[in-house]
Amino acid sequence: AQSVTQLDSQVPVFEEAPVELRCNYSSSVSVYLFWYVQYPNQGLQLLLKYLSGSTLVESINGFEAEFNKSQTSFHLRKPSVHISDTAEYFCAVSAAGGSYIPTFGRGTSLIVHP
Amino acid sequence: GAGVSQSPSNKVTEKGKDVELRCDPISGHTALYWYRQRLGQGLEFLIYFQGNSAPDKSGLPSDRFSAERTGESVSTLTIQRTQQEDSAVYLCASSPRLAARETQYFGPGTRLLVL
Repeated sequence: AQSVTQLDSQVPVFEEAPVELRCNYSSSVSVYLFWYVQYPNQGLQLLLKYLSGSTLVESINGFEAEFNKSQTSFHLRKPSVHISDTAEYFCAVSAAGGSYIPTFGRGTSLIVHP
Repeated sequence: GAGVSQSPSNKVTEKGKDVELRCDPISGHTALYWYRQRLGQGLEFLIYFQGNSAPDKSGLPSDRFSAERTGESVSTLTIQRTQQEDSAVYLCASSPRLAARETQYFGPGTRLLVL
């Protein structure tokens, strides 16, 4: 079985500042890693995912995450945030060749202040 | 194309009543999932369907919860004799196929409040 830890329940930041949302996982097998974003009153939507290959993955709106196998982390970063990035961010892990069901973290609320 | 839809968007019910939550997945998606999201907590997996088959029901919290799916289409989650601890947002997701690497496409959820 796998598990996911999102260390920060809430991250306040000013607009145009950089941000990092932390995600650590544990698994005894190879994993696939996902970041989902949930805007207010909406369902979750995929932001980016790591399946294989390059450990650095990027989204279309400027977020990036790096798979670090030795530290079992998949932190999400953005160099300059916008007010519109205010949302709940969920990290998820699924086991390659294992259960079809991803395990989700508790979520991190990113609050961007003007 | 249309995304995953869920109805109702909000449901207020009295303790002891039965409720039925509906999910319409993206057309052509064979896999469908139900999750529960309690305030301030992550997503709790409830059940998944491959087609209209649910191979693993161990995630359902109690025997008051049941779910079914018609073909590769609509799914309903039924909660009988609701309790206050059932209050949560119930999320449905679908994916093109059942695989660990697949992206899940989520509906907006049904917010259930049991008084």
